[in-house]
Amino acid sequence: EIVLTQSPGTLSLSPGERATLSCRASQSVSDRYLAWYQQKPGQAPRLLIYDASRRATGIPDRFSGSGSGTDFTLTISRLEPEDFAVYYCQQYGSSSPYTFGQGTKLEIK
Amino acid sequence: QVQLQESGPGLVKPSETLSLTCSVSGASIASYYWSWIRQSPGKGLEWIGYIYYSGGSKSNPSLNSRVTMSIDTSKNQFSLSLTSVTTADTALYFCARSGGYNYHFDFWGQGSLVTVSS
Repeated sequence: EIVLTQSPGTLSLSPGERATLSCRASQSVSDRYLAWYQQKPGQAPRLLIYDASRRATGIPDRFSGSGSGTDFTLTISRLEPEDFAVYYCQQYGSSSPYTFGQGTKLEIK
Repeated sequence: QVQLQESGPGLVKPSETLSLTCSVSGASIASYYWSWIRQSPGKGLEWIGYIYYSGGSKSNPSLNSRVTMSIDTSKNQFSLSLTSVTTADTALYFCARSGGYNYHFDFWGQGSLVTVSS
């Protein structure tokens, strides 16, 4: 099983600032099959990025993903008030099983 | 617009079977892979398994022997059964869609809270 470790656990920033979230895999994620999701309280996760760097439909271009192998990054270029939430990475390159990171909470400073 | 909706009992007794159904609208259940994912404070997000239109399925080895999934193309629904539940199975259960074998989850249901308690 591929273990995904996200850092930091909590990130405190102000609107307008840049956020950089990290996801590190215990072994290489094949074909960059890594996604990022945003989850707000009481809601299901929402797909932001797939295949490491492709933005999902309707996702603003302030969200970007990068990385390959074992190191991946989600960057939010300029934080909007609605961006404060919990973010999860997920790998789907290894089907046994698909796994998620433990999440990074992005909170308002 | 694709929508998924989980339904099922919110309370299950220990050692019994948890059963949930996901109803899909806005997409044909015959064209995608359909997963169950759960979320608990202790274990975070955990993929349970997927099923696709032919009835083929794959589940998380950690739950393998307790999981059964089924699909009803006539009703555009799919279902999960988890046997011999314990309090560790208390979680928010989501159903979700993916495009295939190595695909991300692009649509999710709102989740169904299942509590295991006597």
